[in-house]
Amino acid sequence: QVQLRESGPGLVKPSETLSLTCAVSGASIKTDNWSWIRQPAGKGLEWIGRLYSTGDTNYNPSLQSRLTMSVDTANNHFSLKLTSLTAADTAVYYCARDHIEGDYWYFDLWGRGTLVIVSS
Amino acid sequence: DIQMTQSPSSLSASVGDRVTITCQASHDIGKYLNWYQQKPGEAPNLLIYDASNLETGVPSRFSGTGSGTDFTLAISSLQPEDIGTYHCQQYHDLPLTFGGGTKVEMK
Repeated sequence: QVQLRESGPGLVKPSETLSLTCAVSGASIKTDNWSWIRQPAGKGLEWIGRLYSTGDTNYNPSLQSRLTMSVDTANNHFSLKLTSLTAADTAVYYCARDHIEGDYWYFDLWGRGTLVIVSS
Repeated sequence: DIQMTQSPSSLSASVGDRVTITCQASHDIGKYLNWYQQKPGEAPNLLIYDASNLETGVPSRFSGTGSGTDFTLAISSLQPEDIGTYHCQQYHDLPLTFGGGTKVEMK
């Protein structure tokens, strides 16, 4: 059974950098594509970016200047770094698996999410 | 970016009621639309992909219709386990975008 688990600091100060990791178990990270998605409390979902199995990335333009996503194949996890944090970055952050099959493209597996609070 | 507008933002219905949620895209997205259910305190879970295809294991009381800019998610007979928030998501263009969500509560 494939599982995703996010881990991160929980609380980060404004202007600092957020580092999150998504550990993948039950599947090889090299064979699939992966996304980060976030959800501020009481609000809708926002797609952050995608990491392809090739190592290529797509970033949301609204975050692109602050965002880096990378993969660690040795440890079967992928990571997100978001710089220059503000209170607007406070959210639950999810990692998810992208299922791409022909014209179909959806998130078929999600982690449980990790809450990140940006506050001094 | 393609804007996705869901309505209503919340609704309250009784067990057995038919419930419909609409999602409107700011541009023609063909059938490139997914629906997710998010139960309280949990991550979203795929219900319907490509506008009308039911994900494996999802009860047949859920259905999706639409194409172009207007889409609908229907629950034919609301059950207590259906409470939660429903999200539409387009994948016609990057960045991928979601609707604001529709919260479904039980009367």
